[in-house]
Amino acid sequence: EIVLTQSPATLSLSPGERATLSCRASQSVSTYLAWYQQKPGQAPRLLIYAASNRATGVPARFSGSGSGTDFTLTISSLEPEDFAVYYCQHRSDWPPGSTTFGGGTKVEIK
Amino acid sequence: EVQLVESGGGLVQPGGSLRLSCAASGFTFSSYEMNWVRQAPGKGVEWVSYISTSGTTIYYADSLKGRFTISRDNAKNSLYLQMNSLRAEDTAVYYCARDGGYDSSGYYFAAFDIWGQGTMVTVSS
Repeated sequence: EIVLTQSPATLSLSPGERATLSCRASQSVSTYLAWYQQKPGQAPRLLIYAASNRATGVPARFSGSGSGTDFTLTISSLEPEDFAVYYCQHRSDWPPGSTTFGGGTKVEIK
Repeated sequence: EVQLVESGGGLVQPGGSLRLSCAASGFTFSSYEMNWVRQAPGKGVEWVSYISTSGTTIYYADSLKGRFTISRDNAKNSLYLQMNSLRAEDTAVYYCARDGGYDSSGYYFAAFDIWGQGTMVTVSS
């Protein structure tokens, strides 16, 4: 079973700053890696799929990179609405449909 | 509007059962693989179960140990989760989530592009 480890657990930044979030897989997942944003009381929202593709409606300040075991979500300049929890996720080919989420990174206002 | 709406959550005693439903609208439900995902209070997101478009391929998280059953009715545009032998640790918000399939450029999403608002399940005596 693939394990996803996110770091740091908490990131304290100010609006306008750059945020860099990491997700490391216990074994190669190719580019089958997605990122989600979750705000309090809301369902997760897909931001990035296939490691680097922005989902529909996601602002260009969000970007994803990486392949294999190391992935990064970058927010180029934090807006007030970007302070939230971010999860990475891997959907496996086998067993079919098996999915793993990382533990999450909270981006909080400094 | 593409939408998923869960229902069926509530308070249940340990050892009890509950059936969750997820009503889909705004898209061709039968063309999409579906999932259940849960989130315990103050905790991270945990994948629960997957079902293929036809319902013939199903998979569960190992932690469930056969207590949950996922199913779908494509004629009714609905997804279900039958939960038996419930435990306190099953207390969570349960979300249904659509598997994105392929985008317009042919990239495989391998991700959940549409989520419901969630339904709360509380297991307590």
